[in-house]
Amino acid sequence: DTGVSQDPRHKITKRGQNVTFRCDPISEHNRLYWYRQTLGQGPEFLTYFQNEAQLEKSRLLSDRFSAERPKGSFSTLEIQRTEQGDSAMYLCASSSDSYGYTFGSGTRLTVV
Amino acid sequence: SQQGEEDPQALSIQEGENATMNCSYKTSINNLQWYRQNSGRGLVHLILIRSNEREKHSGRLRVTLDTSKKSSSLLITASRAADTASYFCATRGATNKLIFGTGTLLAVQP
Repeated sequence: DTGVSQDPRHKITKRGQNVTFRCDPISEHNRLYWYRQTLGQGPEFLTYFQNEAQLEKSRLLSDRFSAERPKGSFSTLEIQRTEQGDSAMYLCASSSDSYGYTFGSGTRLTVV
Repeated sequence: SQQGEEDPQALSIQEGENATMNCSYKTSINNLQWYRQNSGRGLVHLILIRSNEREKHSGRLRVTLDTSKKSSSLLITASRAADTASYFCATRGATNKLIFGTGTLLAVQP
């Protein structure tokens, strides 16, 4: 395992379109997290899974956002009806305990 | 929402000098972690300090934690140009999620 993989690395979409991002965590890690980061800011928590269960969602995660982790392996984050304010870096991380997370390189979304 | 604030927002030093960054947070924590982020890249975990620890070292890194003041500091000694990056503190409370600070942008001039 080489780490947390995110796909795609970059996504440019028109306002109103739907987009889906994928995250493949480190296989031994049972927890998976999504964060959003805008320019010059720290990452903001969106949601996290323990195995396939979504245990917590941020208020930032509007009803246009949905995340899944079928079978407790990879996860997808979908944004419906994208808005310009959704432009950001979407980061995925995984962990197996409370010590240190491993982050992916992120998916940079640009909504035009 | 972000609960941490970091100070300074930006820091520029010469190679070989030490760099100190400070982090303040708002609620009780289980542990506090520091991460580095190179421009446009993901975050790299640097060091973790538990709430019952006061100081921790890892190579050129020294982290202190003062839970009474809800603050932490990261010291990078003998800085190198390759240390140029953004540095974030992140706290873990009762749940497993991390709450990040606003970050310090460090520039090390060769």
